[in-house]
Amino acid sequence: RKEVEQDPGPFNVPEGATVAFNCTYSNSASQSFFWYRQDCRKEPKLLMSVYSSGNEDGRFTAQLNRASQYISLLIRDSKLSDSATYLCVVNNYGQNFVFGPGTRLSVLP
Amino acid sequence: NAGVTQTPKFRILKIGQSMTLQCTQDMNHNYMYWYRQDPGMGLKLIYYSVGAGITDKGEVPNGYNVSRSTTEDFPLRLELAAPSQTSVYFCASSKLTGNQPQHFGDGTRLSIL
Repeated sequence: RKEVEQDPGPFNVPEGATVAFNCTYSNSASQSFFWYRQDCRKEPKLLMSVYSSGNEDGRFTAQLNRASQYISLLIRDSKLSDSATYLCVVNNYGQNFVFGPGTRLSVLP
Repeated sequence: NAGVTQTPKFRILKIGQSMTLQCTQDMNHNYMYWYRQDPGMGLKLIYYSVGAGITDKGEVPNGYNVSRSTTEDFPLRLELAAPSQTSVYFCASSKLTGNQPQHFGDGTRLSIL
């Protein structure tokens, strides 16, 4: 089993739709969690950190479920500019960041 | 606010040539990393450093070398370029304390012909 798993997609959704991605991780001692977005041939950019109580940033909501070892990302009112690959990243300790393979999202007009 | 700066942005090498990919950060981060990303694939860790003078291998270190003489700089060296090293290379950095994300440079696109 891979340490961090994501559905690769692609998720094809119309503008204005709500879409959710899940990510599962295998190390129960994982300490911190992040969502990054990566546009084609560009660097990963931090979208948001994921806190235990869940957190929201505009149209984006992240949730953490430690008992089931998954994190989620919800995007409301999808925009064309949301089209990208979304990377789930788990930090186990110190410098040990583990990246998921990413989920591709295409928002269609 | 420069963040993580990588140079060059693009490079074409011939097989057997050598080069150094430069990475510098101005955020006083202790941790620095080098990743490679092949087309359509995920990030693979090449080397990382937890501070000046300390480096360690990641998942795919063969064919590469690194050094960390200062907190700011973490160059990646390719000694004998091979076509399999054609990739996009990303440098990243993060703080020493917990729960801090990585910050990425905008990458070096390297082709070995």
